[in-house]
Amino acid sequence: SAVISQKPSRDICQRGTSLTIQCQVDSQVTMMFWYRQQPGQSLTLIATANQGSEATYESGFVIDKFPISRPNLTFSTLTVSNMSPEDSSIYLCSYSAGSDTQYFGPGTRLTVL
Amino acid sequence: EDKVVQSPLSLVVHEGDTVTLNCSYEVTNFRSLLWYKQEKKAPTFLFMLTSSGIEKKSGRLSSILDKKELFSILNITATQTGDSAVYLCAVEGAQKLVFGQGTRLTINP
Repeated sequence: SAVISQKPSRDICQRGTSLTIQCQVDSQVTMMFWYRQQPGQSLTLIATANQGSEATYESGFVIDKFPISRPNLTFSTLTVSNMSPEDSSIYLCSYSAGSDTQYFGPGTRLTVL
Repeated sequence: EDKVVQSPLSLVVHEGDTVTLNCSYEVTNFRSLLWYKQEKKAPTFLFMLTSSGIEKKSGRLSSILDKKELFSILNITATQTGDSAVYLCAVEGAQKLVFGQGTRLTINP
């Protein structure tokens, strides 16, 4: 499987600010995804990042709050906008290379004060 | 709505014990069921199951799927403290993964 990295690995932010998380895969992949894992909860899909077009968002997530970019087949960003303490979570990116299996990045632990 | 339920939510055993983790699901257009191990932040892939009755095995871990009864089990034999983690079950349907709540497994020495 390809190597997938994320940065930052963690951050502490003030409410009302925005944070952009970067996800890099070391080879071209078809699908990239962004998940949120709130404290004590399981993973929830935010959106599928589509190369060259707008991301596909899941119910309950909107582009204004979580804008996503996918400029090429190896890179994606997720921005968490106008943050509040409720946005404190682990944010994970993943990729799928054609099969159903998704491989996850190391995650970004976000704390909003 | 697609749904994945894991049990138990939490399990504490002694090193050397054998554990069985359960995953049941209700998913339209089922394609596959996956197991992950999450120790800190990143879930790491364990198994993908697509066919009923065929056991997948990796070392002390094994898993099997029953597509008629809509469940899967993950077995860990001769547990070690390094097996302590949250184990996540996910089901692929409609081109996305739906995750269960996870089972938090703690292995005491």
